[in-house]
Amino acid sequence: GAVVSQHPSWVICKSGTSVKIECRSLDFQATTMFWYRQFPKQSLMLMATSNEGSKATYEQGVEKDKFLINHASLTLSTLTVTSAHPEDSSFYICSARDGRAYEQYFGPGTRLTVT
Amino acid sequence: AQSVTQLGSHVSVSEGALVLLRCNYSSSVPPYLFWYVQYPNQGLQLLLKYTSAATLVKGINGFEAEFKKSETSFHLTKPSAHMSDAAEYFCAVSGGGFNKFYFGSGTKLNVKP
Repeated sequence: GAVVSQHPSWVICKSGTSVKIECRSLDFQATTMFWYRQFPKQSLMLMATSNEGSKATYEQGVEKDKFLINHASLTLSTLTVTSAHPEDSSFYICSARDGRAYEQYFGPGTRLTVT
Repeated sequence: AQSVTQLGSHVSVSEGALVLLRCNYSSSVPPYLFWYVQYPNQGLQLLLKYTSAATLVKGINGFEAEFKKSETSFHLTKPSAHMSDAAEYFCAVSGGGFNKFYFGSGTKLNVKP
């Protein structure tokens, strides 16, 4: 089956620094990728929709200058948390849509801890 | 717009008992509906999905769900709970195909020996 990977699986960074999370579709081309955030003991909230070669569309309340999304190729989208703060600590999950199969697959998630 | 409501943030059943996790949806377009399971510190695993074909959907690990348009429901069931079913379960809706997913608040299933 189709696989979506995320790297790193967990990361600890200091407050004020930036951290990049990668989301890759390993065996299919993903024209669209989605980024979600999950706070402890809460559900997943959609942050943004990323289309290859164009600017991401952010959900209401998500700061686009803080959460930079780049979808430079059909197999890779990146989320950069800029000037991270402890309140950004969360579980970030991406998903990728296989345009040919009309399916969507989720990555394993990245645990971000900001100290 | 789409949304999902999961009734019961915590459900506890005995091993071998019926599992019933409730999900009601709202969608302005024909919905695609999904159930995912999440184990601690892990990602989402797809249990089953409804994409406008058969209304009774069978998934992995003995789970199934029935799409009831009249009730706007997509409840998840399993005839006999196993200890390994203890996890958090999320219902999700996507409108108009595999676009944005909107997740319910989740139901934590506890299975007692």
